Amino acid sequence: LAKTTQPISMDSYEGQEVNITCSHNNIATNDYITWYQQFPSQGPRFIIQGYKTKVTNEVASLFIPADRKSSTLSLPRVSLSDTAVYYCLVGDPEGGKLIFGQGTELSVKP
Amino acid sequence: SAVISQKPSRDICQRGTSLTIQCQVDSQVTMMFWYRQQPGQSLTLIATANQGSEATYESGFVIDKFPISRPNLTFSTLTVSNMSPEDSSIYLCSVEILAGVYEGTDTQYFGPGTRLTVL
Repeated sequence: LAKTTQPISMDSYEGQEVNITCSHNNIATNDYITWYQQFPSQGPRFIIQGYKTKVTNEVASLFIPADRKSSTLSLPRVSLSDTAVYYCLVGDPEGGKLIFGQGTELSVKP
Repeated sequence: SAVISQKPSRDICQRGTSLTIQCQVDSQVTMMFWYRQQPGQSLTLIATANQGSEATYESGFVIDKFPISRPNLTFSTLTVSNMSPEDSSIYLCSVEILAGVYEGTDTQYFGPGTRLTVL
């Protein structure tokens, strides 16, 4: 079964860049890595996904090294509204199941 | 993406009763899933809701406790049966949207969740 490790919590200040890393040392070869954002009392919201190297969209960047044993979500210039829990989602190499990370609670302060 | 709604958004139930949660999607989707998120925890997959056949349950979840229906490609229900306080959680449905020609891969989108409290 794929195992993931994320920091439980992180603190940041408005305007800073935040990098959240998910370690996943055994994931499905062909599956993408996906990151979600979740606010209290809401379902997870898709942020970004990638397979290798770097992917960037209007809200975040995702860095995935060649060995795909980790992925780093980068949030540029965070604001108070980025305070949320961030989850990585990876594929299990056995059985095709998708596994959520434990989640990182990001707190952005003024 | 897809617009996903769930009913009810929250409920408080008595021990021993059952609650059926509905999930409606604004477009036809092949794959629908049900997750549980216990307080302060990550999401755990309960089952895959298959249209026209029995749901596929993950280890630790059984049909008698969590019966699922999937009558068509836009709707599914999850029933939490014979509830106990340990069933107090958020229950979320999700759908998998197939990747377009220029997109990476199929992506899961989530409903807003149903917050269940069992007394």
